[in-house]
Amino acid sequence: DVVLTQTPVSLLISLGGQASISCRSSQSLVHSNGNTYLHWYLQKPGQSPQLLIYQVSNRFSGIPDRFSGSGSGTDFTLKISRVEPEDLGVYYCLQRTHNPYTFGAGTKLELK
Amino acid sequence: EVQLVESGGGLVQPGRSLKLSCVASGFTFSNYGMNWIRQAPGKGLEWVAYISSGSSYIYYAETVKGRFTISRDNAKNTLYLQMTSLRSEDTALYYCARERTGRVFDYWGQGVMVTVSS
Repeated sequence: DVVLTQTPVSLLISLGGQASISCRSSQSLVHSNGNTYLHWYLQKPGQSPQLLIYQVSNRFSGIPDRFSGSGSGTDFTLKISRVEPEDLGVYYCLQRTHNPYTFGAGTKLELK
Repeated sequence: EVQLVESGGGLVQPGRSLKLSCVASGFTFSNYGMNWIRQAPGKGLEWVAYISSGSSYIYYAETVKGRFTISRDNAKNTLYLQMTSLRSEDTALYYCARERTGRVFDYWGQGVMVTVSS
C-alpha cells in the first residue's frame, strides 16, 4: 500500500502567519494516464472533512486563494498564507492514484 | 445543494452485523461513484470502500474485504454498507462521500457512529 507521510504532525501558527504542510508518498502518485491524484482536506473540529485542493494544485469551489498546493511525483506541499481562525483543524492529504486509497496521518494546525 | 445523510449506526456486539445507508440529494446520484470512509475515535481517516456509478467497479480496503459489502440503489438515491462479522476495531464514525471527475471526494456526509462492543 502507498504510505503518505505528513509533516509536521502539528503546527503552531500566529494569526496572519504562513503554514506549510508536507505530504511525501512511498511511491510516485503519477497515474498511467498522466494525472496525479493527490488531494488535500481540512477537518475542522466536530465537522466532516472538506475538500481544499484536488489533483495537487486546483482549489475547490469556494476555497480562498490563501490555500495553494504544489508538488509532483512523491513530494507535495500545502501552503496556507495569512492564517485565519477558521483555518484551524486537521489537514489530510489523500492519494487516489493507487488502490487502496490512502490518507496521510494528518497535521493539526493550532494558533500560537 | 449536495446533501449526503448517513443512518443505521449504533451499538452492536462483536460478530454481529449492521447495515448503513447514505441518502443523497441535490445531484444526479447515478452519475457519481461513491465511497465509505471511516474515522476511529481520535484517529485519522481510513478509506473503506468504493462503488462506481453503475456498480460495475467495487473496491475494498483489505481490513474489511470479505466482511463488508458496498452497494447502491440508484432509483432510491441511496448508498449502502453491509457490515458483517464486526470487530471492536471497526468502531468508528462512518462517512459516505461523493467522488467526482478527478478521483476526488468532493462532498461528505456528517457521518454515522458505529460502536462494536459487548
